[in-house]
Amino acid sequence: DTAVSQTPKYLVTQMGNDKSIKCEQNLGHDTMYWYKQDSKKFLKIMFSYNNKELIINETVPNRFSPKSPDKAHLNLHINSLELGDSAVYFCASSQEAGGAGGYTFGSGTRLTVV
Amino acid sequence: DAKTTQPTSMDCAEGRAANLPCNHSTISGNEYVYWYRQIHSQGPQYIIHGLKNNETNEMASLIITEDRKSSTLILPHATLRDTAVYYCIVLSTGTASKLTFGTGTRLQVTL
Repeated sequence: DTAVSQTPKYLVTQMGNDKSIKCEQNLGHDTMYWYKQDSKKFLKIMFSYNNKELIINETVPNRFSPKSPDKAHLNLHINSLELGDSAVYFCASSQEAGGAGGYTFGSGTRLTVV
Repeated sequence: DAKTTQPTSMDCAEGRAANLPCNHSTISGNEYVYWYRQIHSQGPQYIIHGLKNNETNEMASLIITEDRKSSTLILPHATLRDTAVYYCIVLSTGTASKLTFGTGTRLQVTL
């Protein structure tokens, strides 16, 4: 009965590869997010979708492309992976855009680019 | 969103109350105070939020000063499992609002 689930939990890949991280929430929330936590532990928002519509797109390289097939899913596809993409990626969801009731985070995907 | 200032780290003995302060002197009238925590290697966890009244839930209490320029998160009986980084965040509601994390306070609960 996991609320926000991400797969895979760990991902090790070579530079230049293309990879995807999947996220699903069963809370019935309308809004989903992707965050990146780098090696210095700073958590930064990357994208936000509300009812499948992109509403926040921070300064993220075009190699990162989120896709929301329905409001319960928000996947993150990364093209041409670089060493600097190594980080922990967290998916989150909230009942409303802006998260007035609080965000629920997944357990993270640790991406290592070698 | 307004910025917040928190101590870098704090210690607390197990069983004692942990009081984590946060300054948010530039908070706007429509901005809420949110607290999250991140236990090592886990996703951030929502704790509590408030606008101007004090709030309490099963995890913690939130005390907001009358002028709303500062707040305190209280964990009434800290346990070792409360060791984490605690983030105080001010956030206005709205479609384009986004939860922006600072550096937080690293709380170490000790025996």
